[in-house]
Amino acid sequence: EDQVTQSPEALRLQEGESSSLNCSYTVSGLRGLFWYRQDPGKGPEFLFTLYSAGEEKEKERLKATLTKKESFLHITAPKPEDSATYLCAVQAAGGYNKLIFGAGTRLAVHP
Amino acid sequence: NAGVTQTPKFRILKIGQSMTLQCAQDMNHNYMYWYRQDPGMGLKLIYYSVGAGITDKGEVPNGYNVSRSTTEDFPLRLELAAPSQTSVYFCASRRTGTDEQFFGPGTRLTVL
Repeated sequence: EDQVTQSPEALRLQEGESSSLNCSYTVSGLRGLFWYRQDPGKGPEFLFTLYSAGEEKEKERLKATLTKKESFLHITAPKPEDSATYLCAVQAAGGYNKLIFGAGTRLAVHP
Repeated sequence: NAGVTQTPKFRILKIGQSMTLQCAQDMNHNYMYWYRQDPGMGLKLIYYSVGAGITDKGEVPNGYNVSRSTTEDFPLRLELAAPSQTSVYFCASRRTGTDEQFFGPGTRLTVL
């Protein structure tokens, strides 16, 4: 069964304190792995898509990496505005229309 | 572009009532999706559509129905609401040939 597990459930950082969020997955043939950001009371906002092991993508203070079993979202020198829930999702080969989401990591960055 | 819009933002239903959640997009996307998000759980796919007149079930379709008569609109119908349908509902759309799904702001539904 296709499954996505995110850890930790919640993370509290001081401003400037770098860290990483983990997304472990089991899927029958990975077509793509997605990272979304979700602010309270809003819909998910797309961040990255990764397609193959070894791929990396960056956006401002965020960097996403992918291995055959997991993905990491690295946050460098975070600011309070990076506080949000970060969602990971996978798309299986053949499941072209279906994203399997993890439960998310709630990140709080304090000044 | 307004992107993906959803109405209403909030709704409280009594058990057994019915309602339609509205979703519209102005990006001319062929693919549209309905998800529900429960506390501490990942988003679950309810139904999806690959174009006007074509819909299919997702992971959790029971208790819901959809229709897609135009490219822009993808309403979700709840018949005989149950407490288990208390959730936040998100609509999303995607352009053919791309993987990024654009999400609406959500509808928070409570069934009492």
